[in-house]
Amino acid sequence: EIVMTQSPATLSVSPGERATLSCRASQSVSTNLAWYQQKPGQAPRLLIYGASTRATGIPARFSGSGSGTEFTLTISSLQSEDFAVYYCQQYNNWPRTFGQGTKVEIK
Amino acid sequence: EVQLVESGGGLVQPGGSLRLSCEASGFTFGDYTMNWVRQAPGKGLEWVSYFDSSPPTIYYTDSVKGRFTISRDNAKNSLYLQMNSLKADDTAIYYCARNYLYLDVWGKGTTVTVSS
Repeated sequence: EIVMTQSPATLSVSPGERATLSCRASQSVSTNLAWYQQKPGQAPRLLIYGASTRATGIPARFSGSGSGTEFTLTISSLQSEDFAVYYCQQYNNWPRTFGQGTKVEIK
Repeated sequence: EVQLVESGGGLVQPGGSLRLSCEASGFTFGDYTMNWVRQAPGKGLEWVSYFDSSPPTIYYTDSVKGRFTISRDNAKNSLYLQMNSLKADDTAIYYCARNYLYLDVWGKGTTVTVSS
């Protein structure tokens, strides 16, 4: 099973600032990586797939990069609605596995 | 509008059973692999099972093998999860989600609580 490790666990950011979230895979997943956003009491929402392709309707301030074992989600200028928990997920191997999440909170 | 709606959750005693349902609308259900993903209280996401129609392929995470059974009825646009021999560790919100690779559509979830 591929283990996905996200860092940091919590990221404190002021509105308007940039947020950089990391995700590391225990073995290469190529670019078969997705990012999801989850707000309290809501289901996850797909943000990024293929490591860098934004899903339909996702604002351009969200960007993804990386390949192999190291991945990054960047939110260029945090808006109030972006404070949430973010998960990465690999879909290169079965079982599909998620990271433990990074909580982006208001500083 | 593309939509997934889960139902069937509730409170059940350890060792008991529940059957979850997920009704799809707004897309051709039979064309898609469907999944169950769960989230224990205050925890992260755990993929549970998937059912691919073509070819028929089913997969379970190790912790539920032999206890959970996924099924689907394409004529009813519905996905199911029969959960037997439930344990406290199965307590979670259970989400139905679409697709084989990344999960592009999610339902709002149904809550399963296993407790005496």
